Amino acid sequence: QQQVKQSPQSLIVQKGGISIINCAYENTAFDYFPWYQQFPGKGPALLIAIRPDVSEKKEGRFTISFNKSAKQFSLHIMDSQPGDSATYFCAAKSGGTSYGKLTFGQGTILTVHP
Amino acid sequence: NAGVTQTPKFRVLKTGQSMTLLCAQDMNHEYMYWYRQDPGMGLRLIHYSVGEGTTAKGEVPDGYNVSRLKKQNFLLGLESAAPSQTSVYFCASSPPGTGGSRQFFGPGTRLTVL
Repeated sequence: QQQVKQSPQSLIVQKGGISIINCAYENTAFDYFPWYQQFPGKGPALLIAIRPDVSEKKEGRFTISFNKSAKQFSLHIMDSQPGDSATYFCAAKSGGTSYGKLTFGQGTILTVHP
Repeated sequence: NAGVTQTPKFRVLKTGQSMTLLCAQDMNHEYMYWYRQDPGMGLRLIHYSVGEGTTAKGEVPDGYNVSRLKKQNFLLGLESAAPSQTSVYFCASSPPGTGGSRQFFGPGTRLTVL
């Protein structure tokens, strides 16, 4: 079963636009929500992450919005650039500090047109 | 620092053949993971290890075995390959104290089973 549902599957944005990717989860034991970025032919790399005690985290052009009551979180990419074209995965972790397994969403292929 | 490396990068197998994928990390990380990535499915955890000599099953372990004889290496074995195991395989590692929150991924191995 898919514990983290991600949408849309693909997204096309013009340069300078805002890209928005959404994720929803069911397991209330999740305590950490990272986003990974993957370029073609490469492994995923951590982009930005948030814990459920805050509603928003911003790093440069990338912002995570978190809605604990709705069990949803989203990635916003402001002023999207062609170099942002990649596959984005949301994920969620449970297990405290001893061990945590990441559960990934299905991924979103983002294309930013120049 | 090479980070996380995977060998080989590509492989084609015939049904029933066996092979071993090697993952190595030089960051002295305790936790290591094997994932498979399939279109529309995200990253699914096959097996993981929380330390030298320990392994555990993930979400999709059937048809795979693993070994962690040395801290820096994590091997993934396919004893009798099947076409359903055609996928891109990623290894990842995570430092202790993070509960697996931040995972560093290798470049992947693209496996085709005919």
